[in-house]
Amino acid sequence: DAMVIQNPRYQVTQFGKPVTLSCSQTLNHNVMYWYQQKSSQAPKLLFHYYDKDFNNEADTPDNFQSRRPNTSFCFLDIRSPGLGDAAMYLCATSRDRGHIPSTDTQYFGPGTRLTVL
Amino acid sequence: RKEVEQDPGPFNVPEGATVAFNCTYSNSASQSFFWYRQDCRKEPKLLMSVYSSGNEDGRFTAQLNRASQYISLLIRDSKLSDSATYLCVVNKPRSDKVIFGPGTSLSVIP
Repeated sequence: DAMVIQNPRYQVTQFGKPVTLSCSQTLNHNVMYWYQQKSSQAPKLLFHYYDKDFNNEADTPDNFQSRRPNTSFCFLDIRSPGLGDAAMYLCATSRDRGHIPSTDTQYFGPGTRLTVL
Repeated sequence: RKEVEQDPGPFNVPEGATVAFNCTYSNSASQSFFWYRQDCRKEPKLLMSVYSSGNEDGRFTAQLNRASQYISLLIRDSKLSDSATYLCVVNKPRSDKVIFGPGTSLSVIP
């Protein structure tokens, strides 16, 4: 009964070799987020979608791209991974924007741990 | 000043102890407040939402003081399984986003 699913759970790639991480949700939530989390740090937002509207964070490198082909799926593409991109990548969803309390609660997937060799 | 600040920790407490974590936020327009716990190498999991003056769930009590822009989490009768990092999370007004505090690490010792 997993609600936010991420695949793969572990990804090993070579320096510069493109990689795609996937996230799917069974909650029918409007908002989907991608975070990067490094050891002993809080999650850092890379970008998010409200429905099909894409919102990039100002400090997210161009190396990171995202696609949301439908409500259920969202992808994170790392075009040329560097050693500094090794991290846990977390996908999260929220029902809506929080105009009604609790609709902005974020639910996280189990994460994909990326290793760059 | 950081947008969300937490006690730096780590907290090392014996089983059965009561422990309190503090969190302050800078934007008075924030309306949604959450405590998440995160185990090592796992995802954050929602522990409690705090929408009014506070709420309780078993051994866990969250309090919100809007005037002081302060949130707390109290854990009573600590269990070994409570060992984790506790993240204070606050919504960013007029956006779809939230702001994470840096987290406070708790180790409950036998």
